[in-house]
Amino acid sequence: QQKVQQSPESLTVSEGAMASLNCTFSDGTSNNFRWYRQHSAKGLEVLVSIFSDGEKEEGRFTAHLNRANLHVSLHIREPQPSDSAVYLCAVISSGSWQLIFGSGTQLTVMP
Amino acid sequence: EAGVTQSPRYAVLQEGQAVSFWCDPISGHDTLYWYQQPRDQGPQLLVYFRDEAVIDNSQLPSDRFSAVRPKGTNSTLKIQSAKQGDTATYLCASSPSGTGHNQAPLFGEGTRLSVL
Repeated sequence: QQKVQQSPESLTVSEGAMASLNCTFSDGTSNNFRWYRQHSAKGLEVLVSIFSDGEKEEGRFTAHLNRANLHVSLHIREPQPSDSAVYLCAVISSGSWQLIFGSGTQLTVMP
Repeated sequence: EAGVTQSPRYAVLQEGQAVSFWCDPISGHDTLYWYQQPRDQGPQLLVYFRDEAVIDNSQLPSDRFSAVRPKGTNSTLKIQSAKQGDTATYLCASSPSGTGHNQAPLFGEGTRLSVL
């Protein structure tokens, strides 16, 4: 059973400073990873999907995947106060769309 | 294109009461998922359907929870005799057939349940 852990639990950055979030997983055979953002009392918004080792950029959001190290990260360039939210890492089981989520990182961006 | 629609947005119950949540998936999506997201945790899959058939309900507490999707479109998740531990946001998601990279589930805004 895939296990997903995120760190840190919470992160505060100043507006404009890079924010970096981490996610580790237990099963290196997965090849489908997503980062979601969840504003308070809202649904999940897909930020970046990454399927192979390396880097994937979507606007200000960049994901880095290293399956050998069982690690995927999210970097947010020039974060703004509106980026304050919970960020969830999800690993998709091979051959299905069962999403296994981490417990999230609460990001606060100070003006 | 309309997204996944859920209702109600909020529900507050006393322990022992029943509640139903309703989900209208994206048109043409044959797969529908229900997730439970306790406060300060990530979503956890409860059950998912392909058309009207249950594919996996192994994480659904069968003594008090039930889920149906009778015509393979809308779905209802019901909790009989709610407990305080059921307090969470219930998220519905849908996806089209297949497991291609562009066929990931899309989520509704959820129903936030508080059991007092």
